[in-house]
Parts: sequence; structure tokens; C-alpha cells
Amino acid sequence: RKEVEQDPGPFNVPEGATVAFNCTYSNSASQSFFWYRQDCRKEPKLLMSVYSSGNEDGRFTAQLNRASQYISLLIRDSKLSDSATYLCVVNSVKYGQNFVFGPGTRLSVLP
Amino acid sequence: DGGITQSPKYLFRKEGQNVTLSCEQNLNHDAMYWYRQDPGQGLRLIYYSQIVNDFQKGDIAEGYSVSREKKESFPLTVTSAQKNPTAFYLCASRQRTDSNQPQHFGDGTRLSIL
Repeated sequence: RKEVEQDPGPFNVPEGATVAFNCTYSNSASQSFFWYRQDCRKEPKLLMSVYSSGNEDGRFTAQLNRASQYISLLIRDSKLSDSATYLCVVNSVKYGQNFVFGPGTRLSVLP
Repeated sequence: DGGITQSPKYLFRKEGQNVTLSCEQNLNHDAMYWYRQDPGQGLRLIYYSQIVNDFQKGDIAEGYSVSREKKESFPLTVTSAQKNPTAFYLCASRQRTDSNQPQHFGDGTRLSIL
């Protein structure tokens, strides 16, 4: 089983829609969780950290469920500019607490 | 302006040639990383360094080498032993390996075979 798995996608949604991505991780000892966004042919950029109590940043909401070992990202009122690949990131004990990146979920927001 | 600088943006390698990708950061971060990304794929860890003069292999270190002689610099050499080097190479840094701080990335180097 891979350390971090994500919804395979792609997700094609109309502008204004609400979309949710899920991510599961295998290591129950993981402590740090993030969502990154990667535009086509660009570097990943931090979207938001994920905290135990859940957190929100504008239209974006991240949730963590430690018991089930999954993380979610909810995007409300989707914009065309939200089109990108969303990467789930979890720290790993395999490489001294370094991060493991999920394969990503591609989102296309359509006009 | 603090950040991570990778150069060159595009690089072409001839058969049997070694090439070196540069990564410099002025964020005063202890930890630095090299990843490889193939089209439509996720990031795979090549090497990482938690401190100057120390580095560790990641998942796909074969055919690559690194050095960490200075805190701000972590160059990656793609050797002739790497038979399929065409990919997008990303350098990242982080304050410390054991911190909860996220990684920050340079804007990458695209390597192709001539």
C-alpha cells in the first residue's frame, strides 16, 4: 500500500460548484499534513496546512480525521483559476520525518 | 527577496554526459531536497540533506549524486548511469526536518536527452 493515496480524478466541475478531494495515509504516526497546488509545468505551491481541528482559508476548508487516517480538501464556489493538480502531503517516518507527496488529483473548472 | 533559485530552467544532456543542476536558497533552511517528476506522475525523492556535509538517499538515488558543502547550496549531478534522465527536477527546502513547517520549492529544471 502506498503511503499517501488520493482520489484519482480528474474532476471536471462547472464554475461556482463545490468540490471535495480525499486523501488517505498509511502511517498512523504522521503528524504534519498539507495541501499543495501544482499548475501545469510549474512547481508545487503550498495551499494550506491541515490542523487537527480543521481549518479554513477563504473558499478552502481542510479537515483531518486521524482515526480513519484521511484528509480532505473542500473548495467552495470554484473559480476558473482553481484549475490545477492538488497534492496531499504527509510527513513520513521512512525518511526521518520528511514529506511524502500523494500522486495528486487534477481539477478542471469549466466556464 | 527570500527564496529558492534553480538553474538552469532547461538543460539538455548528451549520451554519456554528466550534468549538474544548481539549487541555492537564502531562507536559512537546514533541510534541502531533490525530487524528480515525470509527466502525469507524482514527486519522487532522489536525495535529501538535513544538515551541511550530510545527505541521504531517497527512493530513486541510483544514477544521481549530490553534495552539501554550504548550507545554502545543494547541487544535483545527473550521471551517465541514469539511463532515463528526462524529467522535471524540483529542489525544495524546509526549516528543519523535525519541524512542522512546510517545504518550499524552486521553480524547477527541465532536463531532456539530446
